[in-house]
Amino acid sequence: AQSVTQLDSQVPVFEEAPVELRCNYSSSVSVYLFWYVQYPNQGLQLLLKYLSGSTLVESINGFEAEFNKSQTSFHLRKPSVHISDTAEYFCAVSGMDSSYKLIFGSGTRLLVRP
Amino acid sequence: KAGVTQTPRYLIKTRGQQVTLSCSPISGHRSVSWYQQTPGQGLQFLFEYFSETQRNKGNFPGRFSGRQFSNSRSEMNVSTLELGDSALYLCASSLVGAGEAFFGQGTRLTVV
Repeated sequence: AQSVTQLDSQVPVFEEAPVELRCNYSSSVSVYLFWYVQYPNQGLQLLLKYLSGSTLVESINGFEAEFNKSQTSFHLRKPSVHISDTAEYFCAVSGMDSSYKLIFGSGTRLLVRP
Repeated sequence: KAGVTQTPRYLIKTRGQQVTLSCSPISGHRSVSWYQQTPGQGLQFLFEYFSETQRNKGNFPGRFSGRQFSNSRSEMNVSTLELGDSALYLCASSLVGAGEAFFGQGTRLTVV
């Protein structure tokens, strides 16, 4: 079984400042890792994923996350945020044991202020 | 390529009624999974279908059921609705079920 912990329920930050959203997971099997973003009244959009290979993964809009197996973490970072990044961010894991389901963290609301 | 389509987007039902939600996956995707999102419980897995077979089920009562058709479209049904079933129901599709999943806009169900 897997579980995901997002340590911060809300992260306020000023525009153009850097941000880190923390995610830790536990699992008895190897996992795939994901970050999803949700805007108000919308579904979830895949932001980035770690399936295998390089532990540093990047998205097209400047976010990056690093898979750290020893610390069981997959923190999301962005060096300079924009107002438009204000949204809810969810970390998720899926076991490689063919469980065919995503386990989500409780979400972190990123609030970017001008 | 069209994304995941969920219908309807909004729904209001009365306690005790039943409801059916529909999901059309991305073309070529054979796995469809369903999630319930509420402010209190967050995002919870309901079930996953692949090639018309349910492969995994979350911890929900039997009032929640689903099915998948030969064209990979899926429906979920909730019978004897309760106030606590009010939620955003999200459908996700993927090629084979493990790995990345793509979500629809969701169906907002309100039970009154």
